[in-house]
Amino acid sequence: DVKVTQSSRYLVKRTGEKVFLECVQDMDHENMFWYRQDPGLGLRLIYFSYDVKMKEKGDIPEGYSVSREKKERFSLILESASTNQTSMYLCASSRVVTEAFFGQGTRLTVV
Amino acid sequence: KNQVEQSPQSLIILEGKNCTLQCNYTVSPFSNLRWYKQDTGRGPVSLTIMTFSENTKSNGRYTATLDADTKQSSLHITASQLSDSASYICVVSATRSNTGKLIFGQGTTLQVKP
Repeated sequence: DVKVTQSSRYLVKRTGEKVFLECVQDMDHENMFWYRQDPGLGLRLIYFSYDVKMKEKGDIPEGYSVSREKKERFSLILESASTNQTSMYLCASSRVVTEAFFGQGTRLTVV
Repeated sequence: KNQVEQSPQSLIILEGKNCTLQCNYTVSPFSNLRWYKQDTGRGPVSLTIMTFSENTKSNGRYTATLDADTKQSSLHITASQLSDSASYICVVSATRSNTGKLIFGQGTTLQVKP
């Protein structure tokens, strides 16, 4: 079974803090993704990576950056957290870009 | 514009009853369609995947159908259980050369009551 593990289930941060969300997969997948999920808006793609050190902007990259130094690990960085970044963040990985295996999600609250 | 629309937005049924969730899509070029189940506070888990040539796919009490001509899919849940309470998300993948994109529906929230 594919295992995608996100470092935290719940996170509370203050406005202006730099926030790191970590994701690790154990299936040697080339592709990794970060989504955010908000009520009424569904899942929206923030960034994805198709190889180590490679990244592509998704639909809503503003206010976020990513890092992929190793194949199994994909980090999402909020440079200066704001209250409108309070959301559920989902990491996913896949062998091909037309599929996605999701982690358990991180519920981030920015106060 | 690629879109996936799901209905109803929410649904409440009694335990043991059947229900059907709908998904309409306008995605081109079409690659495959997946139904995911997402428990509250958890990540989505794939239930079924169908390609263009498949009409029906079952996974236990879950049966998905696909009509590629009308661009409609349904997820039928038989003999519902309390553990079926979740959001169900329809996801269509579009392919263009070597890149792909997942188009997500907004989900149907199902509540099964005893």
